[in-house]
Amino acid sequence: SYVLTQPPSVSVAPGQTATITCGGNNIGSKSVHWYQQKPGQAPVLVVYDDSDRPSGIPERFSGSNSGNTATLTISRVEAGDEADYYCQTWDSGSDHVVFGGGTKLTVL
Amino acid sequence: QVQLQESGPGLVKPSETLSLTCTVSGGSISTYYWSWIRQPPGKGLEWIGYIDYSGSTVYNPSLMSQVTMSVDTFKNHFSLKMSSVTAADTAVYYCARASVTTYYYYMDVWGKGTTVTVS
Repeated sequence: SYVLTQPPSVSVAPGQTATITCGGNNIGSKSVHWYQQKPGQAPVLVVYDDSDRPSGIPERFSGSNSGNTATLTISRVEAGDEADYYCQTWDSGSDHVVFGGGTKLTVL
Repeated sequence: QVQLQESGPGLVKPSETLSLTCTVSGGSISTYYWSWIRQPPGKGLEWIGYIDYSGSTVYNPSLMSQVTMSVDTFKNHFSLKMSSVTAADTAVYYCARASVTTYYYYMDVWGKGTTVTVS
């Protein structure tokens, strides 16, 4: 089945830019979505269909997807962005949702 | 504003059936698709499956033998049953609303989650 690979952790200083990757075979041909999950809370959709933002999500959150890598970029990182981030897509080969393993974003 | 609320027993004995319900408020269940996702302690997200208002289902192939989903449009809720549970089924269980086309599937509204322990 289709596998999405994320780095376990990413660290960034406040005000800097965080980049979280999601690797998959020819992932650029798929639609990728990103979720933010803070401790003890449910996930929140922050980017859908590669690069669209739901209403209420700051413009600091952006996404891209090409080749074998999808990327979530968080600009001007704030302490409140510290969370786990998961990428997700639909595996049409086996008809099911696939999540990446998650990336813990630490704000230094 | 659509809201989702999971409910059900927090403790299930091994080999028994886990039963959860997700109540949808602020919107009709007769649109969108409705999903279950779980998260074992300290681990990542695992999609269990989805159901639509007509009762059509798609399950995670790795859980298909255990899972049954149903929908009640009159009560505006949908349900999950997982049979023959083991300690490995201990997790926080979330319900979520899904937007689905032939090209994408994403979950834009989530319940707060409910913890189920198998012991």
